[in-house]
Amino acid sequence: GQQLNQSPQSMFIQEGEDVSMNCTSSSIFNTWLWYKQDPGEGPVLLIALYKAGELTSNGRLTAQFGITRKDSFLNISASIPSDVGIYFCAGQYTGNQFYFGTGTSLTVIP
Amino acid sequence: EAQVTQNPRYLITVTGKKLTVTCSQNMNHEYMSWYRQDPGLGLRQIYYSMNVEVTDKGDVPEGYKVSRKEKRNFPLILESPSPNQTSLYFCASSLSIGGETQYFGPGTRLLVL
Repeated sequence: GQQLNQSPQSMFIQEGEDVSMNCTSSSIFNTWLWYKQDPGEGPVLLIALYKAGELTSNGRLTAQFGITRKDSFLNISASIPSDVGIYFCAGQYTGNQFYFGTGTSLTVIP
Repeated sequence: EAQVTQNPRYLITVTGKKLTVTCSQNMNHEYMSWYRQDPGLGLRQIYYSMNVEVTDKGDVPEGYKVSRKEKRNFPLILESPSPNQTSLYFCASSLSIGGETQYFGPGTRLLVL
């Protein structure tokens, strides 16, 4: 199946620092999505991107749909302890099937 | 409260014993989907449904069946479970027929001995 390469695999940062993570695909996607998963829960949608080049913000989160349609980036500014969790990218190209990245585990040190 | 519910939340079974994991949503969503989550592999889509009686295979459908007889329910059936189906399973639903904004259930942790 389709592989999404998500990096970094894990991050340990100090509270207040900015965070960047990205996702790349070997195929073109029509939609890019970013989710956050807290321990013991299902993923929650953070941002959805529908157009190449699109830059969308949700509070301290900003995500971009890469121009090539093969990548996407998520930035978190001024991290806080509740940002801790696993962040997943997901992509959709033909049909209504979705592919998820392997996740970035974020730890915020107070 | 708008939600996706799954039952059971935890299940231990033995190889070959048929089981069903139920999924229900109360948001009148068109699109529903099942995923499995395994360490180091992220989430992988098993099956999805765009409406009643319309289902399609995802990335890893082998060993699973689904049905969509009513809009709100989308059960996942393992006719003959095997140990490699031990995993964390999530159901999701989306108002959009394309499934872009999926709401996930709380997960079902399955152990097949």
